[in-house]
Amino acid sequence: AQKITQTQPGMFVQEKEAVTLDCTYDTSDPSYGLFWYKQPSSGEMIFLIYQGSYDQQNATEGRYSLNFQKARKSANLVISASQLGDSAMYFCAMREPSDTGRRALTFGSGTRLQVQP
Amino acid sequence: GAVVSQHPSRVICKSGTSVKIECRSLDFQATTMFWYRQFPKQSLMLMATSNEGSKATYEQGVEKDKFLINHASLTLSTLTVTSAHPEDSSFYICSARDGGRGQYFGPGTRLTVT
Repeated sequence: AQKITQTQPGMFVQEKEAVTLDCTYDTSDPSYGLFWYKQPSSGEMIFLIYQGSYDQQNATEGRYSLNFQKARKSANLVISASQLGDSAMYFCAMREPSDTGRRALTFGSGTRLQVQP
Repeated sequence: GAVVSQHPSRVICKSGTSVKIECRSLDFQATTMFWYRQFPKQSLMLMATSNEGSKATYEQGVEKDKFLINHASLTLSTLTVTSAHPEDSSFYICSARDGGRGQYFGPGTRLTVT
């Protein structure tokens, strides 16, 4: 069974600074995908970044980058130059192995990020 | 990009009544749709998986007779909460797979049962 762990219930960061949100995972499948989503107070799930287990390089999407350390089974999200609009819940998720057929996502417990002016 | 809509965005119903929530993929065909539930300050928990034309697969602990899922076409899945009770009040969110790597979420439906 897969498991996603986010150990930081809440984080504070000053505007314009960088912040790292931690995520560790556990899976026995050699092929997997890791996602980060942002959930503002409106509730919508906003896709931020994806990392495949066989990707050679760490994923980057604008101000978001994923610090993927496969041996440590960690996939931390780095947000650079934080903005007030980054204040939200952030979820790390793992996609089920392909042999399940359905490929549902398993989510971590989330980290609430608050950006301070 | 791929868009998934949900309707209604908010609904208030009385205890004992049924509520239907629609999830539509607007610009792609969804091979699989997922229904998640999120209680306040908690994470998303998968309730069920639906594929077009076949019965939904429910997660352990989710009552299939209470949460009826119909996946009538490749662009529409519906979740009906039957005989709703206050403890069913939650945020229900669907997602849709496009057959590839993408999985796209709807904006969610906030259900309040009084």
